Amino acid sequence: GAVVSQHPSWVICKSGTSVKIECRSLDFQATTMFWYRQFPKQSLMLMATSNEGSKATYEQGVEKDKFLINHASLTLSTLTVTSAHPEDSSFYICSASWVRNSYNSPLHFGNGTRLTVT
Amino acid sequence: GQQVMQIPQYQHVQEGEDFTTYCNSSTTLSNIQWYKQRPGGHPVFLIQLVKSGEVKKQKRLTFQFGEAKKNSSLHITATQTTDVGTYFCAGRLGGTSYGKLTFGQGTILTVHP
Repeated sequence: GAVVSQHPSWVICKSGTSVKIECRSLDFQATTMFWYRQFPKQSLMLMATSNEGSKATYEQGVEKDKFLINHASLTLSTLTVTSAHPEDSSFYICSASWVRNSYNSPLHFGNGTRLTVT
Repeated sequence: GQQVMQIPQYQHVQEGEDFTTYCNSSTTLSNIQWYKQRPGGHPVFLIQLVKSGEVKKQKRLTFQFGEAKKNSSLHITATQTTDVGTYFCAGRLGGTSYGKLTFGQGTILTVHP
């Protein structure tokens, strides 16, 4: 149980284009999903917290207009990297907790999306 | 800035040797979780510690949570090549919103056969 599916697994795009990444909870409802960014051999940096039916909460230093997050349903959150540039190339991972209102719940991660901007 | 520090950054061991990674926070943690990320993969939840001084074991893995709930450790006995990967601790700092975890930098473990 608690499977999180992320799509696509990898994407190559040209500078200036936008890329959408989907994160789905397959067998549970995720009222909250989290988007992380990870550089090679580095830690996971939280970008934003995605709340179903409301605006996402962004971490300090993360551009809201560049990384658009939508959480339209209890099983789907999307991250759109707008006007991508080479410096946006990274590994993006979503995660979700499946237990509502419990800060003890573990995170279940998607497989991640490796974005390369040329 | 980073509020959960993890050391060492890298650890190379011979198969059969033990391995330990340490996690420290400047503030008290509500709980701490440990994750393993295989090369090219995504983090996978290993365990969660909540109580002060808590010790949990999973086969060859032993997890500890400090008495002050500011530090934690993961110890692997007699490493195997399947243990290769990056081990992350992740703590919920006092006062943070529900679900938000702060990850340590991770320890990259390499096991030589």
